[in-house]
Amino acid sequence: DAGITQSPRYKITETGRQVTLMCHQTWSHSYMFWYRQDLGHGLRLIYYSAAADITDKGEVPDGYVVSRSKTENFPLTLESATRSQTSVYFCASIGLAGVEELFFGEGSRLTVL
Amino acid sequence: AQKITQTQPGMFVQEKEAVTLDCTYDTSDPSYGLFWYKQPSSGEMIFLIYQGSYDQQNATEGRYSLNFQKARKSANLVISASQLGDSAMYFCAMRGFTTDSWGKLQFGAGTQVVVTP
Repeated sequence: DAGITQSPRYKITETGRQVTLMCHQTWSHSYMFWYRQDLGHGLRLIYYSAAADITDKGEVPDGYVVSRSKTENFPLTLESATRSQTSVYFCASIGLAGVEELFFGEGSRLTVL
Repeated sequence: AQKITQTQPGMFVQEKEAVTLDCTYDTSDPSYGLFWYKQPSSGEMIFLIYQGSYDQQNATEGRYSLNFQKARKSANLVISASQLGDSAMYFCAMRGFTTDSWGKLQFGAGTQVVVTP
């Protein structure tokens, strides 16, 4: 089915470990985004990508790395996880037309112990 | 820079009553869009309604309407005839249509709505 999927949906890891959250969309949307959701902050943009091989920082990029070698995939890597990165992570995408809403994945809940 | 402010962290509303969720914004973009999303306890983000900055009329989608007051920079969501299933977190969001802001949605902190029988 068409859509945007994230994996894993739930992840528990330890401080200092590397973690990669995967995001895959089937619409061939140009733009893809990673947000984190924390209580009291709403959703904050971590990184975004306007197309394959084009990425840029959002509001809270420190400690995260992204890549986009293919249009449909936009993985987010925490190179050395910290407790402050415990959060719910949402991937989203939007087409070039741009006026429509952002389409969100189901979210990935990450706990760093 | 863009900023979205939702001043109501939480509110209770009785079933069948209308409720207004406040949202104010700040932007220097000449053209922008305003969105409302609903997040139930299951966690998914559900798009509710969109208002473009140049739209002449306020947006409506079923029981949802957006009270857009451009001069006051406010975009309040009105839910008419509340239902128990409306209990959720509601987020106001905005995006600009400049090269720098294209596609990037800026969110408010959210308002938790609890609908009581």
